[in-house]
Amino acid sequence: DQQVKQNSPSLSVQEGRISILNCDYTNSMFDYFLWYKKYPAEGPTFLISISSIKDKNEDGRFTVFLNKSAKHLSLHIVPSQPGDSAVYFCAAVDSNYQLIWGAGTKLIIKP
Amino acid sequence: SQTIHQWPATLVQPVGSPLSLECTVEGTSNPNLYWYRQAAGRGLQLLFYSVGIGQISSEVPQNLSASRPQDRQFILSSKKLLLSDSGFYLCAWSRGGGQETQYFGPGTRLLVL
Repeated sequence: DQQVKQNSPSLSVQEGRISILNCDYTNSMFDYFLWYKKYPAEGPTFLISISSIKDKNEDGRFTVFLNKSAKHLSLHIVPSQPGDSAVYFCAAVDSNYQLIWGAGTKLIIKP
Repeated sequence: SQTIHQWPATLVQPVGSPLSLECTVEGTSNPNLYWYRQAAGRGLQLLFYSVGIGQISSEVPQNLSASRPQDRQFILSSKKLLLSDSGFYLCAWSRGGGQETQYFGPGTRLLVL
């Protein structure tokens, strides 16, 4: 039973436009969420996080939105750049302080 | 600043051979340590985690084992590799104590033939 779901395996976006990556979760007890970016043959890199006491966190071109009632979060990248092409993972921290990972979404930025 | 090292970067091993992958962390004390596997085209699967020396928790039954002989050293082992052990192995650390952002090493690509 997947507690964190990224339902889009891939997403293609034109350079300069906004990329929106979505993530849904089932456990209402999750209270901290993270986004990671991963290039092929490299370890994931931490991007941005959000606590459940907030509904938005922004860092440069990256903004994460959290909708607790819908158990949904999204990562917005604007403007999208070619270097943003990567796999993006959503993760939630469970009650044992372990990360529960989504399956990832491959983002392709078209020139 | 903290850094995490993994080696080797790439490994090709025959079926039935042993395995030892090493991970070390610098610049922090008493980190939580993790081993993940990413199979081709798939997400991250947590294999083991450790909150201290000699303390290992296993998330999935498998052909692999882990050990933490020192505070900042985490080793992934197998006595006899299977074809299905092929994948990309990632080590990660976190500060623990409620700060659970994990920081990953560069990974080891293992191919079992």
